[in-house]
Amino acid sequence: GDSVTQMEGPVTLSEEAFLTINCTYTATGYPSLFWYVQYPGEGLQLLLKATKADDKGSNKGFEATYRKETTSFHLEKGSVQVSDSAVYFCALSFNAGGTSYGKLTFGQGTILTVHP
Amino acid sequence: NAGVMQNPRHLVRRRGQEARLRCSPMKGHSHVYWYRQLPEEGLKFMVYLQKENIIDESGMPKERFSAEFPKEGPSILRIQQVVRGDSAAYFCASSPLGTHTDTQYFGPGTRLTVL
Repeated sequence: GDSVTQMEGPVTLSEEAFLTINCTYTATGYPSLFWYVQYPGEGLQLLLKATKADDKGSNKGFEATYRKETTSFHLEKGSVQVSDSAVYFCALSFNAGGTSYGKLTFGQGTILTVHP
Repeated sequence: NAGVMQNPRHLVRRRGQEARLRCSPMKGHSHVYWYRQLPEEGLKFMVYLQKENIIDESGMPKERFSAEFPKEGPSILRIQQVVRGDSAAYFCASSPLGTHTDTQYFGPGTRLTVL
């Protein structure tokens, strides 16, 4: 079945450091790929998404490119802030065998802590 | 436009009791998904519903769990005879189209504690 693997955390960075969170996936069809962010005690918020190969999603300084050849969707940010501290989830949606709907498969999540 | 609403936010039950979790999707959204987040784990898909129909319940335990999304009113996730292992955060999400490119909007979750 479909699966998502994220780099193990937690990740601790100083403010203004460069961030990379790796995400690779296995899927039988042609999924869309998503990054969601979860702040303490809250639900998930969409950070960015890409719906086909070579698409780049971007939002709030975060970027990720849908790489079909390496089955990856790594999240990057050039300069993190303390307010970026949260849990980040990579996810894919279901699109195979002529059936397509939004059922999401999530990675295990990566805890990011940014210190001043 | 109000976001996805879930209630209660926190629910405490004793073993053997029933838990009912409610989800009101965003206005205009007819597709609802339920996910469970166990402690220290990611979210796992449970069930996908459209109005009055269950489309995919492949992630839901076969016993004690049921879900509905009636024509009128919120979606309900029902857990009968709860056990300690049911303690988790349950998140509901809604989307307007239900396609694989669609963005899902999440509620704040219901945190269930089973004593």
